[in-house]
Amino acid sequence: DAGVIQSPRHEVTEMGQEVTLRCKPISGHNSLFWYRQTMMRGLELLIYFNNNVPIDDSGMPEDRFSAKMPNASFSTLKIQPSEPRDSAVYFCASSRGQTNEKLFFGSGTQLSVL
Amino acid sequence: RKEVEQDPGPFNVPEGATVAFNCTYSNSASQSFFWYRQDCRKEPKLLMSVYSSGNEDGRFTAQLNRASQYISLLIRDSKLSDSATYLCVVTGDYKLSFGAGTTVTVRA
Repeated sequence: DAGVIQSPRHEVTEMGQEVTLRCKPISGHNSLFWYRQTMMRGLELLIYFNNNVPIDDSGMPEDRFSAKMPNASFSTLKIQPSEPRDSAVYFCASSRGQTNEKLFFGSGTQLSVL
Repeated sequence: RKEVEQDPGPFNVPEGATVAFNCTYSNSASQSFFWYRQDCRKEPKLLMSVYSSGNEDGRFTAQLNRASQYISLLIRDSKLSDSATYLCVVTGDYKLSFGAGTTVTVRA
């Protein structure tokens, strides 16, 4: 079985550029989560979708961040414009149900904003 | 106060030793509890769920203390391959809250 697939694995960009991160959840999973991980703040939940609908986006840092889930098999996280403080590892995770279910994480996208 | 707090460690232990560490949570209404393992530069992976009565999975034992609002993880007969960061996860409503992790290093 394919796991959660994220792309790209690494992204290096300059401040002010738009960055789009992509995620394909495991087929049949109806919950999708975007997390950001840094040394200072650990794993932070950015946004949670259930059945393609955003349920909680209170973790999205600011208006520069947006996320979409146009269908059950695809989600994007966009940062526009990017800033150096956005540098982090961004993980996408999916689960079959809601949050009492096991989370499966993708391999993450290492983002560096110069 | 953070929702989930862990001793960051590191815990440096020799092979074969027993190591244990705790995680405290602030929301008394929390419903489910998990331990995830994260290797360096990798994604977190579920190690085990934590049940009210405590549970074991091989060399790993997890305990929950609702009265004092903490969970614990004990690793017996530690192996070099147990070196990792262990993340405590607590759920409430629909939200999972991750601790910052406890780093364990097992030395030969």
